[in-house]
Amino acid sequence: ETGVTQSPTHLIKTRGQQVTLRCSSQSGHNTVSWYQQALGQGPQFIFQYYREEENGRGNFPPRFSGLQFPNYSSELNVNALELDDSALYLCASSARLAGSYNEQFFGPGTRLTVL
Amino acid sequence: DQQVKQNSPSLSVQEGRISILNCDYTNSMFDYFLWYKKYPAEGPTFLISISSIKDKNEDGRFTVFLNKSAKHLSLHIVPSQPGDSAVYFCAAPDNAGGTSYGKLTFGQGTILTVHP
Repeated sequence: ETGVTQSPTHLIKTRGQQVTLRCSSQSGHNTVSWYQQALGQGPQFIFQYYREEENGRGNFPPRFSGLQFPNYSSELNVNALELDDSALYLCASSARLAGSYNEQFFGPGTRLTVL
Repeated sequence: DQQVKQNSPSLSVQEGRISILNCDYTNSMFDYFLWYKKYPAEGPTFLISISSIKDKNEDGRFTVFLNKSAKHLSLHIVPSQPGDSAVYFCAAPDNAGGTSYGKLTFGQGTILTVHP
């Protein structure tokens, strides 16, 4: 069974640029959630994708967007990068069952540095 | 609005002793809680959970206690081992925005160091 994978591992961008981060979900999982973990903080929920549609969003501006593909992999796109976007971006996949908590399995993350 | 708080950024204990990590929450709608462990360069991994219908859950060396009236939970590790050194996060899932409990709200984390 393949776990959650993310690419790239590290990324350096400059302010104003755009970035795309990728996530492959664990086999059998149909839901992907993205989190931002700033230094010294806990992960913050960005949004979740289920059946290729955004299904819940945290307190992040519209320049954070995403996609989910038919194979349940996902992308996180961030436009107009700001210095504060520097963080570890975590992807988590789960097999969604309504009405209960579905354990989320996390990837190793992508470390984004904005200069 | 920090709904889940871990007020101790770090904790240092000797091998073999007990580690106690604390977590407070403010949202009374939370009914399930989890502890995650995170090593550097790895994603968080699930450690142990507790439902609000219980006040204790035990799994080997790890025990989580829940005090609903105080909105407080704690993770006990006995005995602590050097391999337990990691960042520990408490988290609570909620149904906000129809995510069907897909949104996890995390605390800030506590860095545990277990000295040999």
